[in-house]
Amino acid sequence: DIQMTQSPSAMSASVGDRVTITCRASQGISNYLAWFQQKPGKVPKRLIYASSSLQSGVPSRFSGSGSGTEFTLTISSLQPEDFATYYCLQHNSYPLTFGGGTKVEIK
Amino acid sequence: QVQLQESGPGLVKPSETLSLTCAVSGYSISSGYYWGWIRQPPGKGLEWIGSIYHSGSTYYNPSLKSRVTISVDTSKNQFSLKLSSVTAADTAVYYCARFGWADAFDIWGQGTMVTVSS
Repeated sequence: DIQMTQSPSAMSASVGDRVTITCRASQGISNYLAWFQQKPGKVPKRLIYASSSLQSGVPSRFSGSGSGTEFTLTISSLQPEDFATYYCLQHNSYPLTFGGGTKVEIK
Repeated sequence: QVQLQESGPGLVKPSETLSLTCAVSGYSISSGYYWGWIRQPPGKGLEWIGSIYHSGSTYYNPSLKSRVTISVDTSKNQFSLKLSSVTAADTAVYYCARFGWADAFDIWGQGTMVTVSS
């Protein structure tokens, strides 16, 4: 099984900050990596799939990059509505595996 | 517009079987994609439970495989989850979602909370 290690597990940031979240796969997954945003009590929302493809309607301040085992989600300028928990998911092979999540809190 | 809706009991007794159904509207299950279940215990992260293709091929999380059955009913355009011998550790919000290899889980149901308690 492919293990997904996400870091950091939590972080504090200010509005306007550039935020970077990393996900590392235990083995190569090509570019089959998705990122989800989840707010408390809400359904996870897909932001990015296939490492860098932006979901329609998602602001362009969100971007994804990486291939193989190292992946990054970047928020170029953090907005108040971006405070949430972010999860990565490898969609390269079964069993599908999520990262442990990164909670982005207000500094 | 594709929509998914979970339904089933919100309370299940320990050692019994949890049963949920996901009704799909706006898209025919038979047209393609995989259809999956994901769960999230209170305050914790997301866990993939398993997925099914319209042909009936199934794929399960190894940690749950011995207790999980996912089935599909194309005539009703829905798929179902059964999780046997539940314990308090199975208490979670259960989501159904559409999955494609190219684009992961693109559409999710609203989720349903299932509590395991006597």
